[in-house]
This record gives sequence, structure tokens and C-alpha cells, in this order.
Amino acid sequence: GAGVSQTPSNKVTEKGKYVELRCDPISGHTALYWYRQSLGQGPEFLIYFQGTGAADDSGLPNDRFFAVRPEGSVSTLKIQRTERGDSAVYLCASSSGGGTEAFFGQGTRLTVV
Amino acid sequence: ELKVEQNPLFLSMQEGKNYTIYCNYSTTSDRLYWYRQDPGKSLESLFVLLSNGAVKQEGRLMASLDTKARLSTLHITAAVHDLSATYFCAVDRASSYGKLTFGQGTILTVHP
Repeated sequence: GAGVSQTPSNKVTEKGKYVELRCDPISGHTALYWYRQSLGQGPEFLIYFQGTGAADDSGLPNDRFFAVRPEGSVSTLKIQRTERGDSAVYLCASSSGGGTEAFFGQGTRLTVV
Repeated sequence: ELKVEQNPLFLSMQEGKNYTIYCNYSTTSDRLYWYRQDPGKSLESLFVLLSNGAVKQEGRLMASLDTKARLSTLHITAAVHDLSATYFCAVDRASSYGKLTFGQGTILTVHP
């Protein structure tokens, strides 16, 4: 596609439930990033994929968060046993790698009630 | 730990006036970015600054970088209402390009 696509755009879930957030990067981009943006804050890094592998997952807050990119294109961010504090906008970005600039998607607004 | 601080966090400007947003970062970084974010929207890249003394301009916005002072500025000239948005600066390092550390953001409101 023309840009980074994230689905759903909005997700409301109950506390304790499992959610999956999807990111479709720009075609051909090998690097993919997930960020979390809480209300009134700047985005915070979660995880970075180069191809299929997670090159840096140092930003994942705890083991309830997991992300995959099995074929080196689409990525899914998975959150288990959601908590109200997980409510945020989850942003995905992709780049061609090698230090090229990353482009951001529109984000998924997750609300845990 | 790399930290990025912006000030001011809130900026209310009159149309036609000039102002500067400041971005300080705590340790050596290789690239400095400025982004714009409109309410409910994603991040729009404005500038990428790569070297000491770099200056870039687009319309009423001009960004500069002083790597020795670990400081970047975003200068707004003759503000117009359309510039109302949240502005973020962010940095990354050559060892981890794309892994951005963001500032808190500056909420800019331009009023008549």
C-alpha cells in the first residue's frame, strides 16, 4: 500500500481480555517499529523488527506484551490479560532499513475498560 | 539513559508572532527529528537534522541543530492558525537507527 496501515483504528476491550493489533508496513520495508503513546505524552519505543526477527524488544513493558512478524511483512502486537494502564495509542512505523527514515501509521487507539 | 526534554510544553501564540521551541537531549545522538501531530492523527515528519550546525526551513518553520550543546530549536515565523498542533522532537543513534526517543511534545495554539 501507499503508507503504513494499522487495524483496527479503535479497539475497546474489557480488562483481562486478549487483544491483537495489526500493522501493514509500506511494501518492501524491512524494518518495522512499534511505539506506544499515552495521553499527553510522546511515543515510547516498544520493539523493532529487522525482517522476521525482533532485533530489539527492550521497550516491551512486561511479558504480557508480545509481537511477531512471521513473514517479514505484516506484524501483530499481542497483549494478554489487558489492564486499564494499557490504554494508549499504539503506533507502527516502517523503513527500508540501513538508517533510512521511518514512516508512521495512523495508530490503533486501545481502550481497556 | 537517553532523555529528551522540550520546552515550553504549552505555547499559545498570536497570529503573526514569532516563537521558538527548544529541544534538549541528554547524551550524544546522531539524528534529530521534528514531527507534527494533529489531534487524533499520526506523526508527520517535518525535519531530519544530521550534523552540527544543520539548518532546514520549510515555509514558516525553521529547525536548527547544535550537537555540542545537545540542543535543537524549531523557530516559527509569523504564525498562522494552521500551525496549531503538537510538535515533537526525537533523537536516535547510529547503533539503532529508527529507535527513537521522543520529547514530551509542545502543544502549540495559534489564535487571532
